[in-house]
Amino acid sequence: AQKITQTQPGMFVQEKEAVTLDCTYDTSDQSYGLFWYKQPSSGEMIFLIYQGSYDEQNATEGRYSLNFQKARKSANLVISASQLGDSAMYFCAMRGGGTGGFKTIFGAGTRLFVKA
Amino acid sequence: DVKVTQSSRYLVKRTGEKVFLECVQDMDHENMFWYRQDPGLGLRLIYFSYDVKMKEKGDIPEGYSVSREKKERFSLILESASTNQTSMYLCASSLLGQNYEQYFGPGTRLTVT
Repeated sequence: AQKITQTQPGMFVQEKEAVTLDCTYDTSDQSYGLFWYKQPSSGEMIFLIYQGSYDEQNATEGRYSLNFQKARKSANLVISASQLGDSAMYFCAMRGGGTGGFKTIFGAGTRLFVKA
Repeated sequence: DVKVTQSSRYLVKRTGEKVFLECVQDMDHENMFWYRQDPGLGLRLIYFSYDVKMKEKGDIPEGYSVSREKKERFSLILESASTNQTSMYLCASSLLGQNYEQYFGPGTRLTVT
């Protein structure tokens, strides 16, 4: 069965510092996709970054990068130069399974607090 | 501008009522999803659909059913609402394929009393 684990319910980071949010996953599929989403207090879900299981390079999108370690089944999100607006819930997600439409599952989330 | 809309932001229903949550997307996406979000549990997949009239069970389908009669619309039905179905319900859509991100609606906060 597929599973996403986020072990950090909450994290604090000082403004302008980098922070790593952990995500491990479990799947027997060879082909899958990994995603990170941000959910600010307003509630909307915002897509941040995607990593394909066959991608050799770690994905980057602006201040976001995904530290993909396939052998360890980890897909950590790194936010560089944290800003106050980065305070939010962050969810790791995985999509795959080969079922028509590709099932997507989410982790429990990590709440990030950025301190001024 | 891509858009996923949900019929209500807030809904209060009584135990035993039949509840319909509607979701509409205007992006011509094949995939549509229903999740419920509870504190500490993240988003849990209830059902998803990859085509009209097609549906697949997610991780927690018990007590729910879905309907997809048109490509742009995906309905979640609570046949007989119970208090443990009080939650935030999120609808999402995406293109077919595992490398496409999902676009989410604003959510419906359902309270069952």
